[in-house]
Amino acid sequence: AQTVTQSQPEMSVQEAETVTLSCTYDTSESDYYLFWYKQPPSRQMILVIRQEAYKQQNATENRFSVNFQKAAKSFSLKISDSQLGDAAMYFCAYRLQGGSEKLVFGKGTKLTVNP
Amino acid sequence: GAVVSQHPSWVICKSGTSVKIECRSLDFQATTMFWYRQFPKQSLMLMATSNEGSKATYEQGVEKDKFLINHASLTLSTLTVTSAHPEDSSFYICSASRLAGEWTQYFGPGTRLTVL
Repeated sequence: AQTVTQSQPEMSVQEAETVTLSCTYDTSESDYYLFWYKQPPSRQMILVIRQEAYKQQNATENRFSVNFQKAAKSFSLKISDSQLGDAAMYFCAYRLQGGSEKLVFGKGTKLTVNP
Repeated sequence: GAVVSQHPSWVICKSGTSVKIECRSLDFQATTMFWYRQFPKQSLMLMATSNEGSKATYEQGVEKDKFLINHASLTLSTLTVTSAHPEDSSFYICSASRLAGEWTQYFGPGTRLTVL
């Protein structure tokens, strides 16, 4: 069964600094998708960034970028120029391509941004 | 685009009553909708997957007779918590995948259920 591990229950960063959140996953499949979702105090899940496993190029979305290492099964999220509004729970998720569309979530990392 | 709504956002009910939660995709047709449950300070736990016009697929350990799911159209799925008890109190979140080849799930804002 696929599993997703986020080893950092909590992280903190100073405003305007850069922080990296870790995520590793376990799968025997070669075609899959990876996601980072943000859940602020409102509890609305917001898609931050997504990556298709067949793409070697790391995905970027403005201040958010990933370091996707397929062989190492690692998918870390880098947040640059951190802002107070980035404070939230961040969940890493895995989805197999084809078949079930189920997402497998990690346990989350709580990010605090200090002014 | 890709907006998912849930109604109600918050509900309080008495033990033994049933509660219905609606999930709607507002600007797209959803091939599949998902229902999650989230306990405080924890991750999302998938309860069931539903496709329009067919029976929902429940995850292991989820009581299908307690959590009734109806996916009536490509834009609406409902979750009914039957004979609710205090232990059913939780945050329920739905999500939807778009029809046209999109492989991303878009989430609703969630419903907080409190059973007294």
